Amino acid sequence: SQQGEEDPQALSIQEGENATMNCSYKTSINNLQWYRQNSGRGLVHLILIRSNEREKHSGRLRVTLDTSKKSSSLLITASRAADTASYFCATVAGAGSARQLTFGSGTQLTVLP
Amino acid sequence: DAGVTQSPTHLIKTRGQHVTLRCSPISGHKSVSWYQQVLGQGPQFIFQYYEKEERGRGNFPDRFSARQFPNYSSELNVNALLLGDSALYLCASSSSQGISGYTFGSGTRLTVV
Repeated sequence: SQQGEEDPQALSIQEGENATMNCSYKTSINNLQWYRQNSGRGLVHLILIRSNEREKHSGRLRVTLDTSKKSSSLLITASRAADTASYFCATVAGAGSARQLTFGSGTQLTVLP
Repeated sequence: DAGVTQSPTHLIKTRGQHVTLRCSPISGHKSVSWYQQVLGQGPQFIFQYYEKEERGRGNFPDRFSARQFPNYSSELNVNALLLGDSALYLCASSSSQGISGYTFGSGTRLTVV
């Protein structure tokens, strides 16, 4: 079963605009990770944020985590056509649990040139 | 360095047949996980192996089995294939059982007819 939901399911923006995707999850976590998937192929790891962190940056990516609301957001600034892909959040459960990823349902981002 | 390699890339099987999918992790990675991704959904966890031992199993029937070899490569076996087993099967490796993120292969697209 899916851990949670991404919102929105689909997002279409113009090149240069910012894209924000949200993720909600249900159980306590060790960390939350964001992945990108192009055209139904392998997933690419983008960024990992631990449960004791609130914000993390990597290049044009900014991730926030609110464990009290069990939610995270991914912001992509100054988007490019090459950012067009599906984006998934995935959680790794807390202590005592197996370390598998539990994915959300994904956001399909389309960046128009 | 080679990434996570999966073989074959595409496969067509008939209902009732058996299939074996193969995965070679990144050199030095001792953890291998398998995921099933049905079209339009996020990946679902099937198995995790670490140091050749099964460390986690998802909610999949006993028709699904896996193993990890001394060189840390892995096989996923599916018996008595059903139409619903048609999916992208993803292998992911990690040096730390997911605490630092996973590297995914490009997947094997299995079609059951």
